[in-house]
Amino acid sequence: GENVEQHPSTLSVQEGDSAVIKCTYSDSASNYFPWYKQELGKGPQLIIDIRSNVGEKKDQRIAVTLNKTAKHFSLHITETQPEDSAVYFCAASGGGGADGLTFGKGTHLIIQP
Amino acid sequence: DGGITQSPKYLFRKEGQNVTLSCEQNLNHDAMYWYRQDPGQGLRLIYYSQIVNDFQKGDIAEGYSVSREKKESFPLTVTSAQKNPTAFYLCASSIMGSRQGTGLGNQPQHFGDGTRLSIL
Repeated sequence: GENVEQHPSTLSVQEGDSAVIKCTYSDSASNYFPWYKQELGKGPQLIIDIRSNVGEKKDQRIAVTLNKTAKHFSLHITETQPEDSAVYFCAASGGGGADGLTFGKGTHLIIQP
Repeated sequence: DGGITQSPKYLFRKEGQNVTLSCEQNLNHDAMYWYRQDPGQGLRLIYYSQIVNDFQKGDIAEGYSVSREKKESFPLTVTSAQKNPTAFYLCASSIMGSRQGTGLGNQPQHFGDGTRLSIL
């Protein structure tokens, strides 16, 4: 089955700087890669996703890049703000099984004022 | 407002007791899922359902049961056989993937705000 590794587990950046979170996946047939943001005591919220026919996708301060050859994808947040502090999860799916999403273990992003 | 509602927000279980977590969605989604989240861990799939009256085991189904009698509802029962039930439980839903073999997981999943289950 699919295996997703996510790094780093904790990331601290100064407000206004950029943050990058990286994930690798094992199943070369996977073709859908969402990113979720989870605030304390809440469920994960989808912030951006990318499919394997696209190399990069942007939405305001958030972007995701995908390298199918290397089987890794990354989340980029620019001009970070205090409200960006949360736990971020990457996920992968679509490798032909019916199991739904396989999640990474999460990155706790801390924005320092 | 369309969304997913999980209840209760907090739940306590006594030894030997079964407890049921509620999940209701009004998004008209066909697929529904239950995940378990432990501290410092990602989400692990317990059960999922693609259609009414049908459901499949995920990676960690032992000690859990589900039903899907209505499209809107997918309750999860944590049975006494689940020896380590303390966790944050998340329900999600999505539309089905396309017919062209893209699979169930190829659509965005929308999550509820979870139920935190603890042992008394």
